[in-house]
Amino acid sequence: GAGVSQSPSNKVTEKGKDVELRCDPISGHTALYWYRQSLGQGLEFLIYFQGNSAPDKSGLPSDRFSAERTGGSVSTLTIQRTQQEDSAVYLCASSSRERANYGYTFGSGTRLTVV
Amino acid sequence: QKEVEQNSGPLSVPEGAIASLNCTYSDRGSQSFFWYRQYSGKSPELIMSIYSNGDKEDGRFTAQLNKASQYVSLLIRDSQPSDSATYLCAVNIPQGGSEKLVFGKGTKLTVNP
Repeated sequence: GAGVSQSPSNKVTEKGKDVELRCDPISGHTALYWYRQSLGQGLEFLIYFQGNSAPDKSGLPSDRFSAERTGGSVSTLTIQRTQQEDSAVYLCASSSRERANYGYTFGSGTRLTVV
Repeated sequence: QKEVEQNSGPLSVPEGAIASLNCTYSDRGSQSFFWYRQYSGKSPELIMSIYSNGDKEDGRFTAQLNKASQYVSLLIRDSQPSDSATYLCAVNIPQGGSEKLVFGKGTKLTVNP
């Protein structure tokens, strides 16, 4: 597509429930990243997918968080047994490493509220 | 030591003035540096990238890089109220074949008409 698409745009869930957040990157972009941004905070790296390489999961805050990328395109971030501290905006970004001056293009984010 | 540090501000400048935003980073292996603009309630938008020491100009924006001092800055000339946003400094951190950007917490800029 023309941009990075994320869904849902907003999600309110009860504490203890599982949630799935979806990201559809720009067509042809091989790298996909998940970040989260808590209110008034900077962007916290979560996970990075590059082509068929093993993902860099070093930023996942706990084993309740997992992500997968199917067919080198769409990615799903899953948070199990959600906690109130999981409330944040979850941002997905993609980039093409073939571009010399690569930078990320971000999606519009999913605002997750755990009540 | 935090990997990417920015003055959180807020920074307030009058319309038409030069706004100067600063960023320092800790990893000497970093090679790529970016400035993102984030309007309230919106996602970050890439506005500048810089890879070599010196200045890079794009319209009213100038990025400056000094790798010896591990310092990156963004100058906004002729500041406009529409420039009011949070500016995020991002640095590429290469680690074991993985490349990701580490972001500072951002500097909030307000341009007063």
